[in-house]
Amino acid sequence: DAGVTQSPTHLIKTRGQQVTLRCSPKSGHDTVSWYQQALGQGPQFIFQYYEEEERQRGNFPDRFSGHQFPNYSSELNVNALWLGDSALYLCASSYVGGRGYGYTFGSGTRLTVV
Amino acid sequence: GQQLNQSPQSMFIQEGEDVSMNCTSSSIFNTWLWYKQDPGEGPVLLIALYKAGELTSNGRLTAQFGITRKDSFLNISASIPSDVGIYFCAGQEGGNDMRFGAGTRLTVKP
Repeated sequence: DAGVTQSPTHLIKTRGQQVTLRCSPKSGHDTVSWYQQALGQGPQFIFQYYEEEERQRGNFPDRFSGHQFPNYSSELNVNALWLGDSALYLCASSYVGGRGYGYTFGSGTRLTVV
Repeated sequence: GQQLNQSPQSMFIQEGEDVSMNCTSSSIFNTWLWYKQDPGEGPVLLIALYKAGELTSNGRLTAQFGITRKDSFLNISASIPSDVGIYFCAGQEGGNDMRFGAGTRLTVKP
C-alpha cells in the first residue's frame, strides 16, 4: 500500500520563475494538505484541498495556489518565486475530516530558489 | 509564525538516559500530536492525544495532554541511538489545520 508520493524530490529555480509540485495521496485518502518547512523550523500550513476545492488556507500570499484532481492527487503552484520560498514542501493526506492522527506525510520536495 | 512554543530547541544526551520535551500554546487545542522527522523524510506520527489530562504511551514514549488544553509534554525513556531526530509537537482545533512547534533536535551519544 503506497503512502504519500511527492514529485520531484528536489529542484532548483530562479527568482521570478514559477514552479509546480505534485502529490499523490495515500490510498483511501481524499484530502490533501500542503505545508512549507523552512530550514530549522516546523511545518507551516499553506492550504488544504477536499473535493477539488480549497477548504482552508494558512497565512500565505496568493502567489501560492493549488489544485486537486478527481483522483484526489494535488498540485501546489508558486508564482514569482522569491529567495524566501526556498524550503521543503510537504504534502499530507487524510480522510475527510480526519484529525491530526489521520495525516500521512510524504517525504517532501526540496525547492531551492537562486 | 509559529503559535506553539516548543522546548528545548536541542538536547544532547547519553544512550540510556530519559528525555523530556514540552510544548505550550496561547491557543486551546482539542488534539495534541507528537511527530518525529528524520533527515530527508516527512514527519511520522508518534502519539496522538485528544482529551485534556490524557496520558498515552507508545513503547518507550509517553505523552500527556495538559489540563488547560494549552500544553503537552513528551517523554522518552531509556534512549537509544535510533531516537536521534527532530521531534515536533502539533496542535489541532476541530477540523482545522495542524499548527506545529519549531521542533526539538535530539542527539543521542552511544
